[in-house]
Amino acid sequence: SSELTQDPAVSVALGQTVRITCQGDSLRSYYASWYQQKPGQAPVLVIYGKNNRPSGIPDRFSGSSSGNTASLTITGAQAEDEGDYYCNSRDSSGNHLVVFGGGTKLTVL
Amino acid sequence: QVQLQESGPGLVKPSQTLSLTCTVSGDSISSGGYYWNWIRQHPGKGLEWIGYISDSGSPYYNPSLRSRLTISVDTSKNQFSLKLSSVTAADTAVYYCAREDYFGSGSYGMDVWGQGTTVTVSS
Repeated sequence: SSELTQDPAVSVALGQTVRITCQGDSLRSYYASWYQQKPGQAPVLVIYGKNNRPSGIPDRFSGSSSGNTASLTITGAQAEDEGDYYCNSRDSSGNHLVVFGGGTKLTVL
Repeated sequence: QVQLQESGPGLVKPSQTLSLTCTVSGDSISSGGYYWNWIRQHPGKGLEWIGYISDSGSPYYNPSLRSRLTISVDTSKNQFSLKLSSVTAADTAVYYCAREDYFGSGSYGMDVWGQGTTVTVSS
């Protein structure tokens, strides 16, 4: 399959924990990577692999995976975490293609 | 650190070819181990993968764009390029280039992105 499905929108109270999910058959074969995008800016990689953060990404961001579902968790959400979050992975068809989820808009209340 | 910069016309006429270049600085595009991607984002929409060229020079394309798309690399200029032919208004978008790394065990990630360039298709 070449689709990754995300909830369109999620909200979280300031300081609380939020989980953003991504579902797709390709996630049985590949880890998801997660990107944060703020208005007018390029996406930024926040999680890759089993649960790895690039340098500079706060440790309140974490990732997990089970079956065909990957999750991005923000523990103690901050106002600056508001934005759009996208998952992506390689396609499991064996054709070396790339797929993105439709994105989740995170609102921090 | 590695930086990517997109360049190209901001306005393209319908039916013409959209040409963009991504210049890589801070590392050699030939250093190997990376996949050089193009991604676009229609106004107010999500990210759409366009295609990439691997470190071996093999291109891989989004099936929905394959018939109109060419991605190539110029190692002498440390650049990779996108050409999309027969454009329509539906190709109006912000176009990003990005470096993708393979971290092992089925883990990939686009760890360096250009700032994006807006392309409008209009007569």
